[in-house]
Amino acid sequence: QKEVEQNSGPLSVPEGAIASLNCTYSDRGSQSFFWYRQYSGKSPELIMFIYSNGDKEDGRFTAQLNKASQYVSLLIRDSQPSDSATYLCAVPPSGGYNKLIFGAGTRLAVHP
Amino acid sequence: GAVVSQHPSRVICKSGTSVKIECRSLDFQATTMFWYRQFPKQSLMLMATSNEGSKATYEQGVEKDKFLINHASLTLSTLTVTSAHPEDSSFYICSARGTGHGTDTQYFGPGTRLTVL
Repeated sequence: QKEVEQNSGPLSVPEGAIASLNCTYSDRGSQSFFWYRQYSGKSPELIMFIYSNGDKEDGRFTAQLNKASQYVSLLIRDSQPSDSATYLCAVPPSGGYNKLIFGAGTRLAVHP
Repeated sequence: GAVVSQHPSRVICKSGTSVKIECRSLDFQATTMFWYRQFPKQSLMLMATSNEGSKATYEQGVEKDKFLINHASLTLSTLTVTSAHPEDSSFYICSARGTGHGTDTQYFGPGTRLTVL
């Protein structure tokens, strides 16, 4: 079982719709969760992070965390063509390690 | 805030030469920096973790003698690809983690595209 799993997509949504990106993780001890966006040919950029169960909103983005289900999601409201990118979920392993474990990413395509 | 730069952004070299890539945290002190490699349409692969003033920790399967990492200060880490070969052609990305930005938050540099002829 992969440590961080994402559906590779592509997830295709019409402009203005809500895009829902999902991520599951295997390490029950993980405490923080990150979403990065990566445009083709570019490096990842941080969108948001979440530590607590529930929802965290930042503009059009909402991260949702359910530690009991080991599930974290990212909702993008009013999707725009400029949101078309690969979205990476990242989780630090428990045990005091520095690094992040990245999922393979979900490719999102927002069509006009 | 939390800006990370990389230099060069693109490099083309001949097989057998060495290439040095610099990663700098511009507005914060990075206690830990990370080096990743990404092949086209593939996910990020962590190569190594470097902490300021100590030896880098390499991921399994990454040759430490081929990918030399130096983290001499809290704002600079370098990756040297020694005796580069065409199979080393890839997108190399660094990230930096600093205190006061969230325990595990990593901020990425813009990446360096290496082509070995």
